[in-house]
Amino acid sequence: DAGVIQSPRHEVTEMGQEVTLRCKPISGHDYLFWYRQTMMRGLELLIYFNNNVPIDDSGMPEDRFSAKMPNASFSTLKIQPSEPRDSAVYFCASSLSGTGRNQPQHFGDGTRLSIL
Amino acid sequence: GENVEQHPSTLSVQEGDSAVIKCTYSDSASNYFPWYKQELGKRPQLIIDIRSNVGEKKDQRIAVTLNKTAKHFSLHITETQPEDSAVYFCAASIRNTGFQKLVFGTGTRLLVSP
Repeated sequence: DAGVIQSPRHEVTEMGQEVTLRCKPISGHDYLFWYRQTMMRGLELLIYFNNNVPIDDSGMPEDRFSAKMPNASFSTLKIQPSEPRDSAVYFCASSLSGTGRNQPQHFGDGTRLSIL
Repeated sequence: GENVEQHPSTLSVQEGDSAVIKCTYSDSASNYFPWYKQELGKRPQLIIDIRSNVGEKKDQRIAVTLNKTAKHFSLHITETQPEDSAVYFCAASIRNTGFQKLVFGTGTRLLVSP
């Protein structure tokens, strides 16, 4: 079975440009999470969705960041305008909500973002 | 607030030795504790998990123990091999108004020398 699919794998762009990261969760999973990973701050949860509805976006660093999930098989994380400090690896993960039991999160391969 | 502390930040062992990584959590309602392994340039991958109704779980050379009273859990790797070298993350579940998420520790870089 296909895992979580993210695109692009690498993105290099200039400061001020709009960046859009994409994620396709595992089919049937109803939770989707966006994380940012840096050496300094580790793995940070930015936002997560349940059944396509944003549940908690308290980790989104600034209004420059936005995320959408228009349907169960697709989500985007957008940065506009981008800044050099946004450079990081962005991971998408998905999981299945068990009946009252937490389930493992499965991570995509990530997008390595460099803002020049 | 929700917090997971992980120690040590780096761990160097000789091949064949055991390695232990420890985590503590703050939310007494946490009931699910996964461990992830992340190799350089790769995604975090689940290697083992434990739920709060179990005190210990083992899978070949790796085991996890949980002490709910003390709110800490540990990863044990026996007979370490060079391919065990990676960054290991612990996590604890947080349940907020019926929705679930994980809070991750800061990671332990394990280096196994041949």
